[in-house]
Amino acid sequence: DTAVSQTPKYLVTQMGNDKSIKCEQNLGHDTMYWYKQDSKKFLKIMFSYNNKELIINETVPNRFSPKSPDKAHLNLHINSLELGDSAVYFCASSQGNWWTQAQLNTEAFFGQGTRLTVV
Amino acid sequence: GNSVTQMEGPVTLSEEAFLTINCTYTATGYPSLFWYVQYPGEGLQLLLKATKADDKGSNKGFEATYRKETTSFHLEKGSVQVSDSAVYFCAREADSGGGADGLTFGKGTHLIIQP
Repeated sequence: DTAVSQTPKYLVTQMGNDKSIKCEQNLGHDTMYWYKQDSKKFLKIMFSYNNKELIINETVPNRFSPKSPDKAHLNLHINSLELGDSAVYFCASSQGNWWTQAQLNTEAFFGQGTRLTVV
Repeated sequence: GNSVTQMEGPVTLSEEAFLTINCTYTATGYPSLFWYVQYPGEGLQLLLKATKADDKGSNKGFEATYRKETTSFHLEKGSVQVSDSAVYFCAREADSGGGADGLTFGKGTHLIIQP
């Protein structure tokens, strides 16, 4: 039973198109994330959602719009795709909660990644 | 700002060699620290973690000790195998400690083990 699953695994599309990547976690976690991994393997957080509420938006172009219909899902929609958007996008979740400063289990569980190629 | 610095790769070793991958971090507090591993074509998996100073995380023969004096969390393994070939990421949690701020990752170290 996959803990964090994202689809599709591969996505090849033309510049200017709009595409979505879906993510679901069955761990009962409160927080979900999207990370971007570039061609040099560098990982950077894009968004963080806690119980469907946006917590972090790290200087990501507004062509990227996350949507969280419930706390188990965090989808990523990208408008007007550009060549520079080509990367591997990882969804992740953790028990981390914005509202408490207690020592929580903040390790993140990652999906398998979606390799997006814009041509 | 908060950052994680790890040694540049690729690191190429022979099977059964001793491995050290250095990692240092900046922080105003004592964040939890992690090592993640990414095997070819796969997502990231947690390898080990340490949540407070002097803690030692260990898993699959890998170890790392949380050293607040040197703000380091170096990854070690006594005898590497070909199957350990992967990219290794050092990471720290945000200073808020709440978890919702996500993790800050180092740039990754590509480890290649030759038979």
